[in-house]
Amino acid sequence: EVQLLESGGGLVQPGGSLRLSCAASGFSLSNSAMSWVRQAPGKGLEWVSGFTTSTAGTYYADPVQGRFTISRDNSKNTLYLQMNSLRVEDTAVYFCAKGGGGGFAYWGQGTLVTVSS
Amino acid sequence: DIQMTQSPSSLSASVGDRVTITCRASQSIASYLNWYQQKPGKAPKLLMYASSSFQSGVPSRFSGSGSGTDFSLSINGLQPEDFGTYYCQQSYSPPWTFGQGTKVEIK
Repeated sequence: EVQLLESGGGLVQPGGSLRLSCAASGFSLSNSAMSWVRQAPGKGLEWVSGFTTSTAGTYYADPVQGRFTISRDNSKNTLYLQMNSLRVEDTAVYFCAKGGGGGFAYWGQGTLVTVSS
Repeated sequence: DIQMTQSPSSLSASVGDRVTITCRASQSIASYLNWYQQKPGKAPKLLMYASSSFQSGVPSRFSGSGSGTDFSLSINGLQPEDFGTYYCQQSYSPPWTFGQGTKVEIK
């Protein structure tokens, strides 16, 4: 059974950093397309960053380009999102999701990031 | 970036009604269009992928159609459990953008 479990969210001041983790089970992260998707309070879904599969290309949404870094540790089967220079507008629930061209078929439960002074 | 525009932003319908949500892409995305349902406090659930293919376990009252720039999701015979917010998403090219959502309420 595919499972995704996010952790690492919390309260951080503007300009601070946070690293989110997504522990995967039931499949191998090394050959899977994965993404981070966020949802600000009361707002819609916003794709943030992702890996494709075979080429391991990485992509970022414009609002986070240069501040966020996606990575994965295949030995731990864990996906990460390093978030630097955080802004108030980065406040959201962050989901990790498995999938690529065929949509995101599996999602974690989400972890809340609050950026506030 | 490819922009996705959904309409309407919300709707209210009765049990048994046929409901249609539309999604328009700012450029052609072939059939790389996916639909999700999200309920409050929960992660989204993939309903349809590649415009018209059912994700496993999705009831047959849901259907998707379209290609190029214009797509639609229909619910034929709305059920009480179909309330929630529906999102389209393009997986043609990154960034893999979502529509702004359509909130479906049951009268």
